[in-house]
Amino acid sequence: DTEVTQTPKHLVMGMTNKKSLKCEQHMGHRAMYWYKQKAKKPPELMFVYSYEKLSINESVPSRFSPECPNSSLLNLHLHALQPEDSALYLCASSLQYTGAVNEKLFFGSGTQLSVL
Amino acid sequence: GENVEQHPSTLSVQEGDSAVIKCTYSDSASNYFPWYKQELGKGPQLIIDIRSNVGEKKDQRIAVTLNKTAKHFSLHITETQPEDSAVYFCAASIKGSARQLTFGSGTQLTVLP
Repeated sequence: DTEVTQTPKHLVMGMTNKKSLKCEQHMGHRAMYWYKQKAKKPPELMFVYSYEKLSINESVPSRFSPECPNSSLLNLHLHALQPEDSALYLCASSLQYTGAVNEKLFFGSGTQLSVL
Repeated sequence: GENVEQHPSTLSVQEGDSAVIKCTYSDSASNYFPWYKQELGKGPQLIIDIRSNVGEKKDQRIAVTLNKTAKHFSLHITETQPEDSAVYFCAASIKGSARQLTFGSGTQLTVLP
């Protein structure tokens, strides 16, 4: 199994809603990532979890709250989002995140989020 | 920090022709260079990568070349097929960097039947 699975595929939410994005992998990877991708742009790193601990937060607004319940699961909790937060949210995983080696990143298909 | 420039932004080729996408990077400490293919409605998929101790790598119709002196690397796709149509991203990474990959701006490749 070389897949990173993300749900839901599409999400429409109002600015007062609370929703969560989910990501799952069963490759034994110990590093998991959230990226944000606007149309026709490359992915932008948001968060990195290594061994279920938050390692990197790229100054992301607090209305985005990541959670890593275990080594296979990654969530992104959304609250009070703005229309400009509409984007494709990608989850990725790699074997580990030590910085000692360059790890291959495997991406999920993403959640297309629209904030009204 | 690292800066990766990618050209061209759009590329149209006839089916069966070759396609070449070029990237340059700024930080000579970069040592890992993956290429991702992103089809419409999907996430980026790693198609080939190269490390700085290698000058060229091939995988069937896809090849990547790296020139460390000039700090540029290229993706070559031969015998293009319509299913090669997608957005391609190059990226660079520095071993030990906490920021993982720096992506190029992407190339929309269209293979015309």
